[in-house]
Amino acid sequence: GAGVSQSPRYKVAKRGQDVALRCDPISGHVSLFWYQQALGQGPEFLTYFQNEAQLDKSGLPSDRFFAERPEGSVSTLKIQRTQQEDSAVYLCASSLSPGRKTQYFGPGTRLLVL
Amino acid sequence: TQLLEQSPQFLSIQEGENLTVYCNSSSVFSSLQWYRQEPGEGPVLLVTVVTGGEVKKLKRLTFQFGDARKDSSLHITAAQPGDTGLYLCAGVVNDYKLSFGAGTTVTVRA
Repeated sequence: GAGVSQSPRYKVAKRGQDVALRCDPISGHVSLFWYQQALGQGPEFLTYFQNEAQLDKSGLPSDRFFAERPEGSVSTLKIQRTQQEDSAVYLCASSLSPGRKTQYFGPGTRLLVL
Repeated sequence: TQLLEQSPQFLSIQEGENLTVYCNSSSVFSSLQWYRQEPGEGPVLLVTVVTGGEVKKLKRLTFQFGDARKDSSLHITAAQPGDTGLYLCAGVVNDYKLSFGAGTTVTVRA
C-alpha cells in the first residue's frame, strides 16, 4: 500500500516568505506527527494530531509555525515569514492509532531559506 | 535539546567487520526504538525494545535495552555495504512522541 507522502520534496524560499508543506498520511491512520530535522541532527518533535485535534504543539519553535489537519487526514505545516534558521528537513509521520508506537515516516520536505 | 546521546557520531568500517552503536540517557524510557535513515528518505523503524535487559535479534543486528531502561546498544555482525546509513535511537515520551538522538552515521566500505 501507499506510504506517507509529502510535498513538495524540495522548497527554496526567500527570507520573509510564507511556505506551506503538505503531508498525506497512510489512509486510516489516526495519529499524525511533524518533526524537524536540522543538518547532522536527529529529528525533533514539532506537533501531534489525533484525527483533527492538535493535542500537542509544544515543539513548535515560534508562533510563525502553524499546523492543521482539518478533516483528520491530510495535514499542512505552515511557516510564516521564514528565517534562515528554519532551513531543515520537515518530516511527517503517521501511526494507526494512539496506542501504537510504530510511526511511519514520509520522505520529508527539504526547506532552504535564502 | 535531545535527551538521548549517541556515540560514536561517525563510524567507518570494512565489509565483514563488526560494529556497535551506543545510545545513552539520564532519563528512563518506557520503550526505545532504533531507526535507520538513508539520504533523502525518512527514518525506517528497525526495532522497539520495551523490557529492561531485553535483547532482540534481527538477522545480523542485535539490539539491547539496558536494565534501567536508560540506555541501549545496536550491534551489527559482519557488516555489509547495505548496512550503510544513519542509525537513530529514539525514546518514546508520554506514550506517543519520539525523542531522537543525533544519530550515528555508519559507512561500510566494500
